[in-house]
Amino acid sequence: KQEVTQIPAALSVPEGENLVLNCSFTDSAIYNLQWFRQDPGKGLTSLLLIQSSQREQTSGRLNASLDKSSGRSTLYIAASQPGDSATYLCAVKGSARQLTFGSGTQLTVLP
Amino acid sequence: GAGVSQTPSNKVTEKGKYVELRCDPISGHTALYWYRQSLGQGPEFLIYFQGTGAADDSGLPNDRFFAVRPEGSVSTLKIQRTERGDSAVYLCASSLQGASSDTQYFGPGTRLTVL
Repeated sequence: KQEVTQIPAALSVPEGENLVLNCSFTDSAIYNLQWFRQDPGKGLTSLLLIQSSQREQTSGRLNASLDKSSGRSTLYIAASQPGDSATYLCAVKGSARQLTFGSGTQLTVLP
Repeated sequence: GAGVSQTPSNKVTEKGKYVELRCDPISGHTALYWYRQSLGQGPEFLIYFQGTGAADDSGLPNDRFFAVRPEGSVSTLKIQRTERGDSAVYLCASSLQGASSDTQYFGPGTRLTVL
């Protein structure tokens, strides 16, 4: 059974810092990996999707990498802003169509 | 067009009651998913529809939970004899065809509280 772990569970940084969120998964047989953002009381917003054949994806200040063989992904956020404060969730899709999620990293960017 | 919508946004019920949660996917999306998110956890898969049929219901926790999608669009998640442990946010997502490369788009969720 696929298990997804996210470290750290919570992170607080001053505005302007670059930061890295980590995600690991136990079964490397995945189709893709997706990073989501969740604001309090809201649904999930997809940030980046990396197909299994890809190594990384970039969108603005966000860069996500994937090392399928080692079961790891990182989400890099450059020049963090208070508006980046949210919970970030990592999810993998295996042979079944559903996503398996980690428990998330709660990020607070202090002004 | 519009994104995934879910109603109600909040539902408070008493233990033992029956509830229905509705999901309206993005127009044209054939795949629909239900997830449940407990406080401080990531969403957990419940059931996946491809068109009108449940292609995978392996995540439903027990037979009190049931979901339908009779016309291949709107879906309803039904919970009988609710228990306090059913309290969670129920999220719905849809994707274009359910292909492995498809992105899933999530609705805002229904927060269910069982007293």
